[in-house]
Amino acid sequence: GAVVSQHPSWVICKSGTSVKIECRSLDFQATTMFWYRQFPKQSLMLMATSNEGSKATYEQGVEKDKFLINHASLTLSTLTVTSAHPEDSSFYICSARPLERTPLHFGNGTRLTVT
Amino acid sequence: AQSVSQHNHHVILSEAASLELGCNYSYGGTVNLFWYVQYPGQHLQLLLKYFSGDPLVKGIKGFEAEFIKSKFSFNLRKPSVQWSDTAEYFCAVNVAGGYQKVTFGIGTKLQVIP
Repeated sequence: GAVVSQHPSWVICKSGTSVKIECRSLDFQATTMFWYRQFPKQSLMLMATSNEGSKATYEQGVEKDKFLINHASLTLSTLTVTSAHPEDSSFYICSARPLERTPLHFGNGTRLTVT
Repeated sequence: AQSVSQHNHHVILSEAASLELGCNYSYGGTVNLFWYVQYPGQHLQLLLKYFSGDPLVKGIKGFEAEFIKSKFSFNLRKPSVQWSDTAEYFCAVNVAGGYQKVTFGIGTKLQVIP
């Protein structure tokens, strides 16, 4: 149980375009989902907390106008990287937990390459 | 804000050797602690967790971790590693209560040589 599905697994896009990444909780409802970014040889860094029906909470240093998060339903959160630049190339991972006080479950991640 | 330190970034062991990966966190209050594992090409999976109770927690695949509050540590151990344990291991912490964000350590790459 507690499966988190992330799509796409990898995407290549040109500079200036936008890319949307989906994160779905398949067998549970998640009022809160988390978006992480992982640079090579670095830890997962929390970018934002996605809240169903309300605005996302962004971590310090994360541009909310660049990384648009929408949590339209209890099972779906999307991250849109707008006007992508090569420095946005990274591995993006979403996660969610079925209940308070339970561990996070992770999607497979999305490798974004901006050319 | 909480933070997590993992001191070993890359560990190479022979099969059957014992493993201990260090993890220290900084936060003065009550925390929940986790170890996650990421096998090559796969997503992060939970190895074990500590919320409360017995500070020695056992996880999957023979892993265990001990929470030592006085040392702010949550080291991961396995008596005898296998080649299939080759993976990256992440220690993580979140402040107890609510949907608090989880903070991850930098990760330790474990390579087990047959």
